[in-house]
Amino acid sequence: SAVISQKPSRDICQRGTSLTIQCQVDSQVTMMFWYRQQPGQSLTLIATANQGSEATYESGFVIDKFPISRPNLTFSTLTVSNMSPEDSSIYLCSVQGGGNTEAFFGQGTRLTVV
Amino acid sequence: AQTVTQSQPEMSVQEAETVTLSCTYDTSESDYYLFWYKQPPSRQMILVIRQEAYKQQNATENRFSVNFQKAAKSFSLKISDSQLGDAAMYFCAYVKEYGNKLVFGAGTILRVKS
Repeated sequence: SAVISQKPSRDICQRGTSLTIQCQVDSQVTMMFWYRQQPGQSLTLIATANQGSEATYESGFVIDKFPISRPNLTFSTLTVSNMSPEDSSIYLCSVQGGGNTEAFFGQGTRLTVV
Repeated sequence: AQTVTQSQPEMSVQEAETVTLSCTYDTSESDYYLFWYKQPPSRQMILVIRQEAYKQQNATENRFSVNFQKAAKSFSLKISDSQLGDAAMYFCAYVKEYGNKLVFGAGTILRVKS
């Protein structure tokens, strides 16, 4: 398994600003994923981030709004840019590693945009 | 595209009783992996159990077991001797293979009554 530290755990932000969420893993992993979870809903994949290449975004998500960095095999950031109240959600990072198919998750970031 | 369906938005169970959560999925693959994740109010996604499609034997983890029916594309979770700590949102998830994204169902809220 992998231990994932995600921060901040929660934040309240003004509309029009940006927030960067960090995800640190205790081991080297190839695949990192960023999800959004709106209240009471399931997880929606934003993008897949592999080290050394551009992130791959899912339909409905764009790099200008959700830029992602993946500088090494243990770390990634997701930025939520030019925020609006509709961006209020839980954001989760997730990893697959060691050839295992199951995903392990960070604690999530609860974002409220006012 | 693969889809995962959880038809029970909410379930309730009396403490110490048994409850079964339903999940069906759609795929044209013959090899894949299925998971049940638990998300308590803390937001942390916790892997409960996994099943490899090539294994006929149903997976078991202590009080948690699955009924995997490959032909019917059904993957239900049985929780025996339910405890208050089992109260959470439960997600069924599918992945084709390592390196692929997980596909999640809509989730089932499980309430445990004392």
